[in-house]
Amino acid sequence: QSALTQPASVSGSPGQSITISCTGTSSDVGGYNYVSWYQQHPGKAPKLIIYDVTKRPSGVSNRFSGSKSGNTASLTISGLQAEDEADYYCSSYAGSRTFTVFGGGTNLTVL
Amino acid sequence: EVQLVESGGGLVQPGGSLRLSCSASGFTFNNYWMHWFRQAPGKGLVWVSLINPDGNSIGYADSVKGRFTISRDNAKNTLFLQMNSLRAEDTAVYYCARDISWGSSDYWGQGTLVTVSS
Repeated sequence: QSALTQPASVSGSPGQSITISCTGTSSDVGGYNYVSWYQQHPGKAPKLIIYDVTKRPSGVSNRFSGSKSGNTASLTISGLQAEDEADYYCSSYAGSRTFTVFGGGTNLTVL
Repeated sequence: EVQLVESGGGLVQPGGSLRLSCSASGFTFNNYWMHWFRQAPGKGLVWVSLINPDGNSIGYADSVKGRFTISRDNAKNTLFLQMNSLRAEDTAVYYCARDISWGSSDYWGQGTLVTVSS
């Protein structure tokens, strides 16, 4: 059982926007502004798309955006494209002992 | 170009040992914290261990504490994970990754598969 809770699946049509939630506790998501989001295509390594809740690494499309309210972080993908179909994982810093915790992943289907 | 290349995975019997390596290039290795993560077949990502640039600050997930040892050789730009007393539940693809901010990792290797089975 993962420390952070994500929906198992979401779907959307090309051009639409979707949002994936990531719920933790005050010991992780709610306690620090160190939430990350990763995109993972089958058989590939994860790719960082959001870090520090809202920051995008260089080269990541501005169609990806992050936010946080209380113990829940969210990833929004606007203007859905076929290539966005993948698994998405959230993670959060959780203190010096546990360090990093992940959500169970959300499979995004582009209809 | 930043590159991380893992090696050392394979099939090992329960109770056995393996040493994973992660060769880094394209960046100043000794400036970065580094992580090991793993992903069991069909499952999600799990953090395993981290090490600071000097190698004197280290952390482990509870599931591997006392069995796994992380280390680094900054002269050879290489990260290691010594895995002892392996269990079936350690079966996974193991990734090394570069930390940019409190657990956020911007570059990952391609992964190396560790299978623990008799």
